[in-house]
Amino acid sequence: GQQVMQIPQYQHVQEGEDFTTYCNSSTTLSNIQWYKQRPGGHPVFLIQLVKSGEVKKQKRLTFQFGEAKKNSSLHITATQTTDVGTYFCDNNDMRFGAGTRLTVKP
Amino acid sequence: GAGVSQSPSNKVTEKGKDVELRCDPISGHTALYWYRQSLGQGLEFLIYFQGNSAPDKSGLPSDRFSAERTGGSVSTLTIQRTQQEDSAVYLCASSLVYIQGKGSTEAFFGQGTRLTVV
Repeated sequence: GQQVMQIPQYQHVQEGEDFTTYCNSSTTLSNIQWYKQRPGGHPVFLIQLVKSGEVKKQKRLTFQFGEAKKNSSLHITATQTTDVGTYFCDNNDMRFGAGTRLTVKP
Repeated sequence: GAGVSQSPSNKVTEKGKDVELRCDPISGHTALYWYRQSLGQGLEFLIYFQGNSAPDKSGLPSDRFSAERTGGSVSTLTIQRTQQEDSAVYLCASSLVYIQGKGSTEAFFGQGTRLTVV
C-alpha cells in the first residue's frame, strides 16, 4: 500500500503556542483524512481533503493538502488543553500508523 | 444503531483461553475495520471487511487471530489461546463505503474492547 510518514511523533507545547503535524506520502493520494483520539478515547473523524492545494479551517484548526497531493498538514493556532490527544492521518487505506501525540502544558 | 457498538467493553481472560470480541457497525455501513492499540501506541490495522468478505487478512498478527462478518453487519474477532502480548484495546470502525486505493468515507469508531490477558 501507499506509505505515509507522519511527523513529529510527539509534540509538547505550552498552552497558547501553535502546533503543526505533517503527513508525507511517497505517492499521490486520492484524498486524505484526519482523525483525533483523545486520551482514553477512540479516534474521531476531523476532516477529509480531496482537492490539490485544498485548505479547510475548523475554528483554530487549519488543514492543507499539498499541490502534488503527496503531503498534508494540520495546524492548530493557540493550542488549548482540549487539543491534547493523538492526531492521525489516513492515506486512503485506513492504516493510520503511529500518529502525532500532542501534549499541552497549561 | 446510533453508533458503532463493541462488546464487551472490558475482558479479562486467562492465558491460553479463547476470546470473542464483537462489533456492531452503523446500519448500512458496508466497510468494517478492526484495529489493535497497545498502551500509548498507534493504531495497528488488523483486517477489514467489504460486506462479508475480508479481502486483506495480512494484518492479523498470527493464525490465532480470526475474524468474520455475517449478514453484512455484526463482526466477531476471535483470539485463540490468548497470550499476554495480546493485551490491548481492540477497536472496531465502520464506514459507508471503502474503495481500495481510493479510500474510505468518514469512519466511525467504537469505544473499543480492553482485553487483559493474565
